[in-house]
Amino acid sequence: NAGVMQNPRHLVRRRGQEARLRCSPMKGHSHVYWYRQLPEEGLKFMVYLQKENIIDESGMPKERFSAEFPKEGPSILRIQQVVRGDSAAYFCASSPPPGMGYEQYFGPGTRLTVT
Amino acid sequence: QQQVKQSPQSLIVQKGGISIINCAYENTAFDYFPWYQQFPGKGPALLIAIRPDVSEKKEGRFTISFNKSAKQFSLHIMDSQPGDSATYFCAAANFGNEKLTFGTGTRLTIIP
Repeated sequence: NAGVMQNPRHLVRRRGQEARLRCSPMKGHSHVYWYRQLPEEGLKFMVYLQKENIIDESGMPKERFSAEFPKEGPSILRIQQVVRGDSAAYFCASSPPPGMGYEQYFGPGTRLTVT
Repeated sequence: QQQVKQSPQSLIVQKGGISIINCAYENTAFDYFPWYQQFPGKGPALLIAIRPDVSEKKEGRFTISFNKSAKQFSLHIMDSQPGDSATYFCAAANFGNEKLTFGTGTRLTIIP
């Protein structure tokens, strides 16, 4: 029973490049959340998605960041034209459909380093 | 505006002792309060969670105490072990708007 999977685990990008982070939810889970963790800080909510639909993107920066969760395949967090301040650990979590529990289970994270 | 305040920032406890971490929240709409444990380089792992209809929940050595009127909740780790050394995060959510608001974390160290 695989947990939440994220890849890559580590990603190095130069300033101005694009970063694509992928997340596959737990089996049976239809909701995905992305959080960002800066060094020595707590996790900050970014976006909440279900298949083909963004539920809440109130934590997403207005520019350069986007997220999707297509009908088939993993959820993708995309960061365009990365800057040094984007260096952080990005965690994906998944939860069951509404009415079947609201626990969020986290993946191992993608550690993004912008040089 | 920080909506969940967590203390202490770091905590050192002797093996066999009780570790206590406290959180306070502001948003009265919160009705789900989980605790997560995170080891270095790993993702947060759900430890235990509580809803406001109970004042205490216990799972093994871990207990959540919840005080709705004071808007506070705490994690107690009984018989603390070196393997419990990790960073602990409290969080809160409003059921129906499930995004988690996290505290800033407590780095717990259990010494022999």
